[in-house]
Amino acid sequence: DQQVKQNSPSLSVQEGRISILNCDYTNSMFDYFLWYKKYPAEGPTFLISISSIKDKNEDGRFTVFLNKSAKHLSLHIVPSQPGDSAVYFCAANAGNNRKLIWGLGTSLAVNP
Amino acid sequence: NAGVTQTPKFQVLKTGQSMTLQCAQDMNHEYMSWYRQDPGMGLRLIHYSVGAGITDQGEVPNGYNVSRSTTEDFPLRLLSAAPSQTSVYFCASSYSSTRGVIQYFGAGTRLSVL
Repeated sequence: DQQVKQNSPSLSVQEGRISILNCDYTNSMFDYFLWYKKYPAEGPTFLISISSIKDKNEDGRFTVFLNKSAKHLSLHIVPSQPGDSAVYFCAANAGNNRKLIWGLGTSLAVNP
Repeated sequence: NAGVTQTPKFQVLKTGQSMTLQCAQDMNHEYMSWYRQDPGMGLRLIHYSVGAGITDQGEVPNGYNVSRSTTEDFPLRLLSAAPSQTSVYFCASSYSSTRGVIQYFGAGTRLSVL
């Protein structure tokens, strides 16, 4: 029973265009949603997060949108660059529980 | 700061052998965890620790032991390696912030069990 779902295993976009990575969740108790980025042969690194009380958080080229009624969030990368090619994981946590619940990841390829 | 350091980076074992994957962090984080990553399976939690002397099981704990005698170190022991334990293992330490739970990961240990 996956509480955090990333339904697209892979995504391919052209350099300069927008990349949109999607994530759905089932647990309404989650209060933080986080995106991690993973390059091959490296551990995941924190990218950006959003609190459940917000609907948007922006950091440079990266923006997270949260739709609580739909239990859906998305990560937008604009403009996409070849260096953004990586696996992106969506994760969530609830309250004081420091355990993160992870999605399966989406592999993004940005083509020059 | 070195962050989270995992050793070794690569290891090949024969079925039935035992070994310890080392993990150390220098950020004074109380919470540490071990994950395994398999193709199409994402990150699955093996064991975690909320502080020195306290450990608990994650979703795939069978075949693994952990201990936490210090804040810095969180070794993962494979008691009797099996081919099903062939995987990439990640150690992480984390803290709670206004941005949520931020986890810092090591570079991983790639383990093959023959």
